[in-house]
Amino acid sequence: NAGVTQTPKFQVLKTGQSMTLQCAQDMNHNSMYWYRQDPGMGLRLIYYSASEGTTDKGEVPNGYNVSRLNKREFSLRLESAAPSQTSVYFCASSEMSRTVFGPGTRLTVT
Amino acid sequence: ILNVEQSPQSLHVQEGDSTNFTCSFPSSNFYALHWYRWETAKSPEALFVMTLNGDEKKKGRISATLNTKEGYSYLYIKGSQPEDSATYLCAFSTNAGKSTFGDGTTLTVKP
Repeated sequence: NAGVTQTPKFQVLKTGQSMTLQCAQDMNHNSMYWYRQDPGMGLRLIYYSASEGTTDKGEVPNGYNVSRLNKREFSLRLESAAPSQTSVYFCASSEMSRTVFGPGTRLTVT
Repeated sequence: ILNVEQSPQSLHVQEGDSTNFTCSFPSSNFYALHWYRWETAKSPEALFVMTLNGDEKKKGRISATLNTKEGYSYLYIKGSQPEDSATYLCAFSTNAGKSTFGDGTTLTVKP
């Protein structure tokens, strides 16, 4: 039972490059989330998926796309990375009363 | 966008002091209120989840209360220790399954 896993753990991109952050959970949770964490700003919701096949924008969706591939996996894509997207990205899954976070992906865009 | 506010933003206390912080949240569509402890370079770790008005939860020296009618929750730490230093996050979740986080209260406990 691995909980929530994220790959990669670290990534450096050049401005304009694209990449996909992967997230998977093995707890059979319906809801999954992508957050970014910036100094002094707490966790900000990028996108969430209340169930397989549905996705919704959160607080800061611009510059990102998501795919809820199946119940287990929820990926976050940066089509054209910008320095403003330098952040730590956390994936989480929840089943109403319990939320579990992944270990985070530290992304730097130069 | 749901607004979850935490205060104070940061807090510095001496070892042995007791402290408390506040989380305020919308009182409509309430499902649950969560408290997390978040240490630097780690993932947030769940402390409490509360669903009923008047709920009180306790884990060691840390406790939390919930008032859903007025939309606030308090987190208390009794006899703070240096290892309590962390950011404490609250999150409000609706019955649609969406959670919104506050910006956190960063606690520093000086030995």
